[in-house]
Amino acid sequence: GENVEQHPSTLSVQEGDSAVIKCTYSDSASNYFPWYKQELGKGPQLIIDIRSNVGEKKDQRIAVTLNKTAKHFSLHITETQPEDSAVYFCAAPHSTLNYGGSQGNLIFGKGTKLSVKP
Amino acid sequence: DAGITQSPRYKITETGRQVTLMCHQTWSHSYMFWYRQDLGHGLRLIYYSAAADITDKGEVPDGYVVSRSKTENFPLTLESATRSQTSVYFCATIPRGWRAGDEQFFGPGTRLTVL
Repeated sequence: GENVEQHPSTLSVQEGDSAVIKCTYSDSASNYFPWYKQELGKGPQLIIDIRSNVGEKKDQRIAVTLNKTAKHFSLHITETQPEDSAVYFCAAPHSTLNYGGSQGNLIFGKGTKLSVKP
Repeated sequence: DAGITQSPRYKITETGRQVTLMCHQTWSHSYMFWYRQDLGHGLRLIYYSAAADITDKGEVPDGYVVSRSKTENFPLTLESATRSQTSVYFCATIPRGWRAGDEQFFGPGTRLTVL
């Protein structure tokens, strides 16, 4: 079944620098890759996602890139700010828990704790 | 507009006791999920439900029971709590059908400690 590996587990950057978090997946049939942000004491919240028919997607300071050949996707945060400090999770469809071509169930990476120092 | 709520937010119990965690959503979303979050493991799916009276096991269902008699409620029961079930539990919903690209909306979580 699908396996999602996420690196690094912790990341510390200075305010204004860029941050990159990488994930690899194993199921070549996966075609949807979301990123969730979890602030302290809250539930995860979707910040950006990408489908397999595009290689990159941007939303202001965040972007996600996808390399289907290598089976990895990355989250890029530019001009980091203290409010970007959080735990970030990547995810991919759970191949053994979805039926009939659906991809609603997700398997999550183990998370990256990002700290942005002012 | 409450959205998705979980209760209690914090719970301490003892080994062997039965505990029920509640999840309630006001959107009438069809799909609901229960996850547990542990350090070093990220989020792992316990059970999910496609609609009222339809539930399925996730990655780590052992020791847990769910029910869904009403669309808006999805309780998770630990029939005989063990220390290994100490975790933060999150409920989530999907607003639309069973397809890729649907954002999962998460509740605020319940921190459960089993002594």
